[in-house]
Amino acid sequence: SAVISQKPSRDICQRGTSLTIQCQVDSQVTMMFWYRQQPGQSLTLIATANQGSEATYESGFVIDKFPISRPNLTFSTLTVSNMSPEDSSIYLCSVDEGGYTFGSGTRLTVV
Amino acid sequence: SQQGEEDPQALSIQEGENATMNCSYKTSINNLQWYRQNSGRGLVHLILIRSNEREKHSGRLRVTLDTSKKSSSLLITASRAADTASYFCATAPATSGTYKYIFGTGTRLKVLA
Repeated sequence: SAVISQKPSRDICQRGTSLTIQCQVDSQVTMMFWYRQQPGQSLTLIATANQGSEATYESGFVIDKFPISRPNLTFSTLTVSNMSPEDSSIYLCSVDEGGYTFGSGTRLTVV
Repeated sequence: SQQGEEDPQALSIQEGENATMNCSYKTSINNLQWYRQNSGRGLVHLILIRSNEREKHSGRLRVTLDTSKKSSSLLITASRAADTASYFCATAPATSGTYKYIFGTGTRLKVLA
């Protein structure tokens, strides 16, 4: 199965700043998925990223807040912009192989 | 929403005992999956069961699916301390394609040595 390298693994950021999370897959994949897991909660899909097209965002998530890049079939980034403490979460990227394979997650704390 | 509900929310058992977790969902699905998450890190895919299957095994894991009741259960037999984790079910809604999974609320399992 695919191996996903996600970084950073954790970060503590000041409110009002932005953080870019990177995911590198060791094989070419058509779609990559970005999830958010708020403290003690389940996973919520932020957006689906296809190479060569704009990401598709779920209800409640907008491109200005969570811009996504997908420059090729093995890489994607998610930026959390203008952060507030409510953005403190674990952010996860994944690919579908008949079941998701996840990156190791980015634990973000906004102070 | 489609989000699954899992029960119990938390479960504490002794090593060697069996652990059963349940997942209920709301609409028709293509498949249902179970994942494990250790210490708030990335999730690990455990098992996938398709809507036309009723039971599936993988090692010490046994998953059942009852589409008439819109529910699934995950049984971990002969539990070990290393099984301590959060377990999530995820459904692939029949109307949204198989790639867009909706995660349940999770069960926190603690196995005491």
